[in-house]
Amino acid sequence: DTGVSQNPRHKITKRGQNVTFRCDPISEHNRLYWYRQTLGQGPEFLTYFQNEAQLEKSRLLSDRFSAERPKGSFSTLEIQRTEQGDSAMYLCASSPRLAALTDTQYFGPGTRLTVL
Amino acid sequence: RKEVEQDPGPFNVPEGATVAFNCTYSNSASQSFFWYRQDCRKEPKLLMSVYSSGNEDGRFTAQLNRASQYISLLIRDSKLSDSATYLCVVNPNTGGFKTIFGAGTRLFVKA
Repeated sequence: DTGVSQNPRHKITKRGQNVTFRCDPISEHNRLYWYRQTLGQGPEFLTYFQNEAQLEKSRLLSDRFSAERPKGSFSTLEIQRTEQGDSAMYLCASSPRLAALTDTQYFGPGTRLTVL
Repeated sequence: RKEVEQDPGPFNVPEGATVAFNCTYSNSASQSFFWYRQDCRKEPKLLMSVYSSGNEDGRFTAQLNRASQYISLLIRDSKLSDSATYLCVVNPNTGGFKTIFGAGTRLFVKA
């Protein structure tokens, strides 16, 4: 399968714990996005990488959230001191082109986070 | 006002019906527009891009109205398999790469 993969698929944690999610984009895709989606809502933009550079972050991304894409390939999203409000589906998407302002985004299956 | 707004529905239609969804956006400088489809408990997938001249892909037609700041999606001859949530996506062209998703419109097609 050469699509976007995300791990783990499900994560249950206690409030106050740290969690880390991984996203492996489609090979050679330069662009990588993280989103958060809650029930009944569309995906909310969290952050964007172009290769290894994090070029944009949403105001939603508090200082408890950090994302990296160290070699321009896979990316991680860490949430520190989780809160119950962090419970959501975390989606990663990758996109192939740099020329277009916005190109087709290919989504991974998501990581569902439940904070108890 | 939300940056991208959609009627949440649900739209309940019989097979073979024609159904249309609208999506309004607030930033007149927005450049790129898309419709994505999301099945229950699945990830979003691109349905079609929306061009200024409008575009058609089989039973699906997308149109852009810049003057009124909305995009539309028309589905003709609805199939049971069209049942899904349809997400409107806009790049607000605020100098970055942020993309804004609407909350989605739910469609149920019944036999």
